[in-house]
Amino acid sequence: AQKITQTQPGMFVQEKEAVTLDCTYDTSDQSYGLFWYKQPSSGEMIFLIYQGSYDEQNATEGRYSLNFQKARKSANLVISASQLGDSAMYFCAMREGSSGNTGKLIFGQGTTLQVKP
Amino acid sequence: AAGVIQSPRHLIKEKRETATLKCYPIPRHDTVYWYQQGPGQDPQFLISFYEKMQSDKGSIPDRFSAQQFSDYHSELNMSSLELGDSALYFCASSLQPASYEQYFGPGTRLTVT
Repeated sequence: AQKITQTQPGMFVQEKEAVTLDCTYDTSDQSYGLFWYKQPSSGEMIFLIYQGSYDEQNATEGRYSLNFQKARKSANLVISASQLGDSAMYFCAMREGSSGNTGKLIFGQGTTLQVKP
Repeated sequence: AAGVIQSPRHLIKEKRETATLKCYPIPRHDTVYWYQQGPGQDPQFLISFYEKMQSDKGSIPDRFSAQQFSDYHSELNMSSLELGDSALYFCASSLQPASYEQYFGPGTRLTVT
């Protein structure tokens, strides 16, 4: 069964430094998608970045990049130049491609990131 | 740009009451997903619709039902509410299930007392 694991319940980072949030996944599908979402204390779920299993290059979106290591089944999120507004819960999620292609997401447990001034 | 709209944003109900949550997807999006996020938990998939037909079903209690209407908006109906139903309910939409862009609404925070 598909599974997403985020082993870091909480992380601290100094403002302006880079931070890596870990995510490993388990799936038997060859086609799948990996997502990262940010959830601030206000509760909304903000889409950050996406990586398809067949994408050869790591996805980047501004200060966010996804370190995709397919053989190790990991999809770590790297945030460069951390800002105070980055303090939030971060969820890694996976969509399997062959399960009827319904698009549902499976989420990890989340990592709380706190950026220190 | 237009986003997913959910209403109401907050809802307080008593045990055994019913609740209806509404979701208006991004224009042209034909796929809607419902997720439930309990306190301190990750979101759990409940149910999804594609072109007004149920496309997938997750851990949705039998007391809950949902549908997608001709204008693509969706409603989640919850009956015989229990204290454990207190959660943040998200609706997300995408342009077809295979689209990698799945955008979430702001959520409806349901409190059952």
